[in-house]
Amino acid sequence: GAVVSQHPSWVICKSGTSVKIECRSLDFQATTMFWYRQFPKQSLMLMATSNEGSKATYEQGVEKDKFLINHASLTLSTLTVTSAHPEDSSFYICSAAGPQGNTEAFFGQGTRLTVV
Amino acid sequence: QKEVEQNSGPLSVPEGAIASLNCTYSDRGSQSFFWYRQYSGKSPELIMSIYSNGDKEDGRFTAQLNKASQYVSLLIRDSQPSDSATYLCAVSKGGGGADGLTFGKGTHLIIQP
Repeated sequence: GAVVSQHPSWVICKSGTSVKIECRSLDFQATTMFWYRQFPKQSLMLMATSNEGSKATYEQGVEKDKFLINHASLTLSTLTVTSAHPEDSSFYICSAAGPQGNTEAFFGQGTRLTVV
Repeated sequence: QKEVEQNSGPLSVPEGAIASLNCTYSDRGSQSFFWYRQYSGKSPELIMSIYSNGDKEDGRFTAQLNKASQYVSLLIRDSQPSDSATYLCAVSKGGGGADGLTFGKGTHLIIQP
């Protein structure tokens, strides 16, 4: 199956700093990637859709100036959490459509962000 | 507002028995339906996808879809302790990769040895 790699797997940062999370499709090109957030004992919530070469589309209630998304190439999308606060602590997961088309999404391993 | 509902459980099933997981969704425009398995602290893993009414079988897993009732289910036959996990139901208006997924909160399944 298609491989989506996320980095880092976990990160601890101080309140007020910014953190960048990378999502790469290793063996295929992904024109569209998605970013999700999962709080403890909650489900995954779609944050934004990242399109290569264009601006990301954010879901209602997600601050685009706080969660910066860049999809500069067909294999890399990045999510930057700016001025992080403890309430941003969560599990962030990206996904991308597989090489066989848009029928299935493959997930990265996720990034555990802890803001202290 | 798009919603996907699942019983959070825990659902406890003896080893070797059939585990039945259910899901309902509110958006009648949904076209793609997925079951993911998620272990604690890990990313979701795709178990089954289904796009048309009826049953779809893959090994020990059977997905069932009824669009008229807006209902999706997953049956796990010959349940194993390794099947213990949270099972997430997800739906999409387009393909799972073309559009983002709307997830339910998941059902925590426990297979008792």
